[in-house]
Amino acid sequence: DQQVKQNSPSLSVQEGRISILNCDYTNSMFDYFLWYKKYPAEGPTFLISISSIKDKNEDGRFTVFLNKSAKHLSLHIVPSQPGDSAVYFCAASGFITSGTYKYIFGTGTRLKVLA
Amino acid sequence: EAGVVQSPRYKIIEKKQPVAFWCNPISGHNTLYWYLQNLGQGPELLIRYENEEAVDDSQLPKDRFSAERLKGVDSTLKIQPAELGDSAVYLCASSPGRATDTQYFGPGTRLTVL
Repeated sequence: DQQVKQNSPSLSVQEGRISILNCDYTNSMFDYFLWYKKYPAEGPTFLISISSIKDKNEDGRFTVFLNKSAKHLSLHIVPSQPGDSAVYFCAASGFITSGTYKYIFGTGTRLKVLA
Repeated sequence: EAGVVQSPRYKIIEKKQPVAFWCNPISGHNTLYWYLQNLGQGPELLIRYENEEAVDDSQLPKDRFSAERLKGVDSTLKIQPAELGDSAVYLCASSPGRATDTQYFGPGTRLTVL
């Protein structure tokens, strides 16, 4: 049962354009969401996060949007740069049942920014 | 500040052999995680420690996997005996305290079981 899904395994975008990466989750008890970026042969690194009490969080070129009713979040990168080429993982966390805390990653989307 | 350190970076073993991975978290981080990452998948939690206590090991295959975090700092993950399907990247991460904190990952150990 994949509770956090990234349905697009890959995405190609021209340099300077907007990249939009999507993530869906199934459990409404998740209340904190994060995006991580991963380069080859390295561990994931934190990029940006959002609490369920917000619907948008912005940090420079990166903006995360949360639609709780749709159980959907997205990461916007604008403008996209070749150095943004990496695998992006979304993660959802929260106490999904009484006393059970979970932090679950999606399957990842490989972004390629074309120069 | 030093990041999460893992060793070895790569390991190739024959099936049925034992293998161990070591992780040194960021200084002062109380929470430590071991993840398994298969090709094309996201990290999947194996075990989470808060200090010395394993607070979530529900996904750890306890028949062949074991982990320890003595003194609440370094941690070791062991597989005995290894199977072909254990070939994957094993990631260690740490966070300052609360489970909701951002996790800081090490580079991972790529295990190949022949």
